[in-house]
Amino acid sequence: NAGVTQTPKFQVLKTGQSMTLQCAQDMNHEYMSWYRQDPGMGLRLIHYSVGAGITDQGEVPNGYNVSRSTTEDFPLRLLSAAPSQTSVYFCASSKQGGKLFFGSGTQLSVL
Amino acid sequence: GQQVMQIPQYQHVQEGEDFTTYCNSSTTLSNIQWYKQRPGGHPVFLIQLVKSGEVKKQKRLTFQFGEAKKNSSLHITATQTTDVGTYFCAGPYVVSNYQLIWGAGTKLIIKP
Repeated sequence: NAGVTQTPKFQVLKTGQSMTLQCAQDMNHEYMSWYRQDPGMGLRLIHYSVGAGITDQGEVPNGYNVSRSTTEDFPLRLLSAAPSQTSVYFCASSKQGGKLFFGSGTQLSVL
Repeated sequence: GQQVMQIPQYQHVQEGEDFTTYCNSSTTLSNIQWYKQRPGGHPVFLIQLVKSGEVKKQKRLTFQFGEAKKNSSLHITATQTTDVGTYFCAGPYVVSNYQLIWGAGTKLIIKP
C-alpha cells in the first residue's frame, strides 16, 4: 500500500493563477480531508469528504474547491491564488473515527 | 465555539530531561488522539485514548486522558534527539465524528 499520495511537493504560483493539488489513497478510507498548516499554528481544516459524491466545508474553506468523484481521489482546487494561501497543505484520510493518515504535504508559495 | 488549547507552545530541554505537553478541551471529548510531526514532515498518529482516566504507555511516552474527558497529557521520560518535533492533540468535533479539532501543538527542542 502506498497510503496517501499527495502531489506536487512544491509549487510556486503567481497571484491570480489557479491550480489543483492532487491526493489519492489506496486504503479504501471513506473519509478524506485537506488541511493547511501555517508557521507556529496547528492544522486547520479546509474541506472534507465522508464518501464519494459528498463534500463539506471545514474551518477555512474560502478560496478552495473540492470534489470527490471516487473513493480514492480528493483533489483541492485553488481558484485564484492569493498570497494569504501561502502555506503547507496536507491531505489526510481515515476510517470513521479512526486515526488519520497524512500525505507528505505540498509547500505552496503564492507571489 | 469548541476549542482545544495546548500548552506550552515550545519546550526546550536538555537531552535526558523529561518533557510534558498538556491539552485542554472546552467540551467533553469522546476520544483524543495524539500525533507527532518531525521537522519538515507530516503528522504521524501516535495513539488514541477513549476511556475516562485512561493511561497508556509507549516505551518512554506516557499518555493520559482526564477523568472528565476534557484534558489530556503526553509525558516523555528522558528525551532523546529522536523525540524532536511538534506534538499535537486532536479531538472530534461534537457535531461530527469525522472532523477533528486540533491543538496548536507543542514543539520539543533539544538544547545542544
